[in-house]
Amino acid sequence: EDKVVQSPLSLVVHEGDTVTLNCSYEVTNFRSLLWYKQEKKAPTFLFMLTSSGIEKKSGRLSSILDKKELFSILNITATQTGDSAIYLCAAGGTSYGKLTFGQGTILTVHP
Amino acid sequence: DTGVSQNPRHKITKRGQNVTFRCDPISEHNRLYWYRQTLGQGPEFLTYFQNEAQLEKSRLLSDRFSAERPKGSFSTLEIQRTEQGDSAMYLCASSPGQYGAHEQFFGPGTRLTVL
Repeated sequence: EDKVVQSPLSLVVHEGDTVTLNCSYEVTNFRSLLWYKQEKKAPTFLFMLTSSGIEKKSGRLSSILDKKELFSILNITATQTGDSAIYLCAAGGTSYGKLTFGQGTILTVHP
Repeated sequence: DTGVSQNPRHKITKRGQNVTFRCDPISEHNRLYWYRQTLGQGPEFLTYFQNEAQLEKSRLLSDRFSAERPKGSFSTLEIQRTEQGDSAMYLCASSPGQYGAHEQFFGPGTRLTVL
């Protein structure tokens, strides 16, 4: 059975800190790893990674995939209170992209 | 607004009643997915449509659940004889493309409460 595990489950930091969120996966016929941010609503797309070792970056957020070790990390630098959310990792393992999600990491950024 | 839309946003029902949710995907997207999310968990896959064809259903989708996507546009998810364990957020997502992996864009969800 496909499985995605995220760590830590929750994280509390202060504004300006840098955080690293972890995601490991075991997915048959793996094709892609996606990160989403979820506030009090539906998940919003952050990144999709399909190749190992290539960092994707968007502002203060960046992510990288290691297909050999079956994990990905999401880095957030200079955190802001607006970064407080649940960060979801999901792996796609079929040609049509059905996603298996992890439990999520709850990030709380204090001023 | 060109995003995924879902209606209703909230539904409260009594155990044993039937409910139906609607999802309108992004117009050019061929793929449509339904997920269910309970508190403290990530979304769980329920079912997938490629155009109007329902190509996979999770074993989470009991016989009380049925989904349709007539004409390959909007989709409905019906739950018959609701149970308290059906209380969850039901999320719809859509994605472009015929082959390969693509990012999925989620709607705002329908929060179902079964009393």
